[in-house]
Amino acid sequence: AQSVTQLDSQVPVFEEAPVELRCNYSSSVSVYLFWYVQYPNQGLQLLLKYLSGSTLVKGINGFEAEFNKSQTSFHLRKPSVHISDTAEYFCAVRGNQGGKLIFGQGTELSVKP
Amino acid sequence: DVKVTQSSRYLVKRTGEKVFLECVQDMDHENMFWYRQDPGLGLRLIYFSYDVKMKEKGDIPEGYSVSREKKERFSLILESASTNQTSMYLCASSTTGVPQPQHFGDGTRLSIL
Repeated sequence: AQSVTQLDSQVPVFEEAPVELRCNYSSSVSVYLFWYVQYPNQGLQLLLKYLSGSTLVKGINGFEAEFNKSQTSFHLRKPSVHISDTAEYFCAVRGNQGGKLIFGQGTELSVKP
Repeated sequence: DVKVTQSSRYLVKRTGEKVFLECVQDMDHENMFWYRQDPGLGLRLIYFSYDVKMKEKGDIPEGYSVSREKKERFSLILESASTNQTSMYLCASSTTGVPQPQHFGDGTRLSIL
């Protein structure tokens, strides 16, 4: 069965520091991966996606992620975070059926001044 | 931009009531999804639909049903609400073809008293 594991439930970090949010997946089909962000009291917004091609994917708000097939990982990174990046982040992999996605448990990123 | 609109942001109902959560998307998407979001559990898929009048069970369908009479509208029904259905409910839509991201509404925070 497909699954997604986000290795950290909470990540506190100071403003302007780099951050990495970790995601590992298991999938028996072609791999399509997504990162979403959820700001307080809002729905999920797509940050970036990996469908094929270059393993380094750039997204919105300065985030990027690297697809590593051998380690079955898709970690999210940002070189310098802002207070406004405080949110919950979800990693997801496409499921076996069409548009279905399997989500990780989420990582709460807390950026402190 | 894709717009997914959920009819209520906050809803309070009583145990045993029949509850309807409505979701409308404006981009002619074929696929629509209902999730519930609980702390530490991420997003769990309740039901999804790939076409009008078509529905598929997700991972946690018990206690829920859905209706899709028109392409743009996907309703989630709690037949007899119980306190363990207190949660955040998120609706999403996507198009078919190469795996496309899902677009989310802002969510409905439902409390069952």
